Parts: sequence; C-alpha cells; structure tokens
Amino acid sequence: KQEVTQIPAALSVPEGENLVLNCSFTDSAIYNLQWFRQDPGKGLTSLLLIQSSQREQTSGRLNASLDKSSGRSTLYIAASQPGDSATYLCAETPQGGSEKLVFGKGTKLTVNP
Amino acid sequence: NAGVTQTPKFQVLKTGQSMTLQCAQDMNHEYMSWYRQDPGMGLRLIHYSVGAGITDQGEVPNGYNVSRSTTEDFPLRLLSAAPSQTSVYFCASSYWRMRLGDREFYGYTFGSGTRLTVV
Repeated sequence: KQEVTQIPAALSVPEGENLVLNCSFTDSAIYNLQWFRQDPGKGLTSLLLIQSSQREQTSGRLNASLDKSSGRSTLYIAASQPGDSATYLCAETPQGGSEKLVFGKGTKLTVNP
Repeated sequence: NAGVTQTPKFQVLKTGQSMTLQCAQDMNHEYMSWYRQDPGMGLRLIHYSVGAGITDQGEVPNGYNVSRSTTEDFPLRLLSAAPSQTSVYFCASSYWRMRLGDREFYGYTFGSGTRLTVV
C-alpha cells in the first residue's frame, strides 16, 4: 500500500526565513506529485504539480523538487511571510490504480512576524 | 471558470437522515472523486469516477452512494447519517492525456468543502 509521510508535522519560523518541507513516498511508480495549501476551515489550493518525468517546478517563491529514486519531494519556500502560514499537504497519484490521490497528513507551518 | 463547486458549505443532520452533497465541475474533467478529511486521519477517498456512468469504491465507501450520469456532476449520497460521518467532505476532479504512449495526469482541483455534522 502506497504511503506518504510528511515531516515535520508542525514548523514555526520567523518571518523572512527560507524553509524546506519534506514529503516521502514508498512506491516510486507514480504519475505525479502535487503540493497543496490548506488554510484553517478552507479547501485545498493546488500550489505545484510535478509530473513523474520532471525534477522540479517553480512558482514565485515556491520551488518543489521530485526525486523518484529516493521517494522524496521537497517544497522550498523562500523569504517566508506570515501569509504563508497554513497546512501544506503533498499527494501523489500512483500508477496502475484508481488514479486516486494518496495524501500525507500535512505540515502545519506558522510564520511569525 | 468556476472550477469545482460544492453545495452546501455547511449542514447539520440528525442521525438516520439522508442527504445529498452536490459537486459540479466545468472543466470537462473525466475523473471526479470524493474525499473526507478528519483530524489525525488525513484525507481519505470515499468514491471515485473515471467517467460518466462509471463509479468505484475508495478506502471508506460504507454508508455512501454515488452516481455519475453526466461529466459535470458527481453527487454523494448519505443513506442514513451516523455521527461517525461527521467530517469535512471534499470533491475533486482531474484529467489526463496520452503523452509518449503513457497517461500523463494533470493534477487535481478541489472544491471548497462541505462541513457536515451529524447529531
């Protein structure tokens, strides 16, 4: 069974710091890996999608990388801001199945002013 | 584009009542799915559909029914609500295309959720 793990479960940093969120998965046979942001009481907002043939994607201050051989993805946030405070979820789409998403339990990020 | 629209946003049910959570997407996505999110459990797949007329069960299908009569709509029915179904429900859609002989998925778009309380 495919599993996705996110470490740490919670992270608190001062404003302006660069930070890395980690995501690991057990099976390298994936179609893609997607990073989401969830604000309290809200839905999921897609941040970045990395296809299995790609190594990284960038959007503004966000950069996500994918290393299938090691079963790892990282989300790099540059120059963090209080508005970045949210829970960040990674999810992968395993090959050969129901095309469902397998989610990690998320990292709750707090950026302190 | 509206994306994925879920209604209602909030609902309180009494045990044993039935109701339908609505989900509609305007992106012509073939794949639609329902997830529930519970504290400490993460997001879990309830049911999914790979196209109109085709549905299948996910990890936690008991107590829920789905149908897919059109590409746009994928309602989730609670047959007889139980307190264990208190949760936040998310509908999601996605699409794929053939590229270089293989499927390439283009990620999921989520609705804003329905917060359901069963008392």
